[in-house]
Amino acid sequence: AQKVTQAQTEISVVEKEDVTLDCVYETRDTTYYLFWYKQPPSGELVFLIRRNSFDEQNEISGRYSWNFQKSTSSFNFTITASQVVDSAVYFCALSEGDTGRRALTFGSGTRLQVQP
Amino acid sequence: DVKVTQSSRYLVKRTGEKVFLECVQDMDHENMFWYRQDPGLGLRLIYFSYDVKMKEKGDIPEGYSVSREKKERFSLILESASTNQTSMYLCASSLLGSSQKETQYFGPGTRLLVL
Repeated sequence: AQKVTQAQTEISVVEKEDVTLDCVYETRDTTYYLFWYKQPPSGELVFLIRRNSFDEQNEISGRYSWNFQKSTSSFNFTITASQVVDSAVYFCALSEGDTGRRALTFGSGTRLQVQP
Repeated sequence: DVKVTQSSRYLVKRTGEKVFLECVQDMDHENMFWYRQDPGLGLRLIYFSYDVKMKEKGDIPEGYSVSREKKERFSLILESASTNQTSMYLCASSLLGSSQKETQYFGPGTRLLVL
């Protein structure tokens, strides 16, 4: 069975610091998808990134970057020069298979607090 | 933009009441999902549906049922609400069979309090 572990329950940083959120996953499938979602205080989960198991290229989007390493089953998320608006709960999630019918398995989330 | 809406942001019900949570998406997505979110547990899947009138149990279906009579609407039903069903409920939808498959888009959530 698949599993996603976010060992960091809560992280607090000061604005402009860089911060990395860890995500470790377990799956027996060779085809799978990894996601990061952001949940601001308003409650709605906002999709950030989707990565398939065959694409290990790291990705950068503005201040956000993601490091996918199959060798360590990790999909870590780094925010560079953090801002107060980055304060939220961040979830890593895993979806197995190609059917599109598979639900997501979520980690327990990491609460990020960015202090001004 | 994908739009997923949920009928209520906050709901207070009494033990034993029948509760309906409605979710509507406007992007013609085949898949729809209901999750509950509890502190320290992340999101857990209750039920999902991949077509009208089709449903499959998720990880924690006990005490819940669902209905999907129209493609855009997916309802979660608590037949007899209990205090341990106090939680945040999140609906999501996704497209099947495209380059965007597997990406789920979420509604704003319903915070349910059962007294």
